[in-house]
Amino acid sequence: DQQVKQNSPSLSVQEGRISILNCDYTNSMFDYFLWYKKYPAEGPTFLISISSIKDKNEDGRFTVFLNKSAKHLSLHIVPSQPGDSAVYFCAAGFYNQGGKLIFGQGTELSVKP
Amino acid sequence: DAMVIQNPRYQVTQFGKPVTLSCSQTLNHNVMYWYQQKSSQAPKLLFHYYDKDFNNEADTPDNFQSRRPNTSFCFLDIRSPGLGDAAMYLCATSFLASLSYEQYFGPGTRLTVT
Repeated sequence: DQQVKQNSPSLSVQEGRISILNCDYTNSMFDYFLWYKKYPAEGPTFLISISSIKDKNEDGRFTVFLNKSAKHLSLHIVPSQPGDSAVYFCAAGFYNQGGKLIFGQGTELSVKP
Repeated sequence: DAMVIQNPRYQVTQFGKPVTLSCSQTLNHNVMYWYQQKSSQAPKLLFHYYDKDFNNEADTPDNFQSRRPNTSFCFLDIRSPGLGDAAMYLCATSFLASLSYEQYFGPGTRLTVT
């Protein structure tokens, strides 16, 4: 039973446009959600997070939206840059479980000049 | 720079031959995690240490063990690797007393089983 799903394995966007990466989850009890970016041959790096009590968090070009009724979150990157090309993972966790995270399968973003 | 270091980056082992992967951190974080990631799949948590307390995931095979001799180091031991254990192994750390719950990842060790 996969609790966190990223249904799009890949996304291609033109430089300067908006990239929207989507993530769905099944467990309404998750306390927080995070997005990670991963370049080849490197470990995932933290991008942005959101608590389950909020519906939006913004950090520079990155904004995460949380729709609890739909059990859906999305990451918006505006404007997209070629350096944003990477695999993006969403993850979810519980406060009372030692900080463990459940990851989605990832979406590979390609930003074309 | 504070970081999470994994050694080796690439490991080749033979079927059934024990192998140990190493992780160290200079972040002084109290929690260390081991994930297994197979191609195009989500990283899957194997176990984690909260300080010295070991927490195994229910579906982690007995073939996988871990040791944390001190705050800085954590090891993943695969007692009898099978072909299905070929994967990227990611170590991560976090500091749970803080208000944020992000994990910091090492670069991973890619394990090949021949």
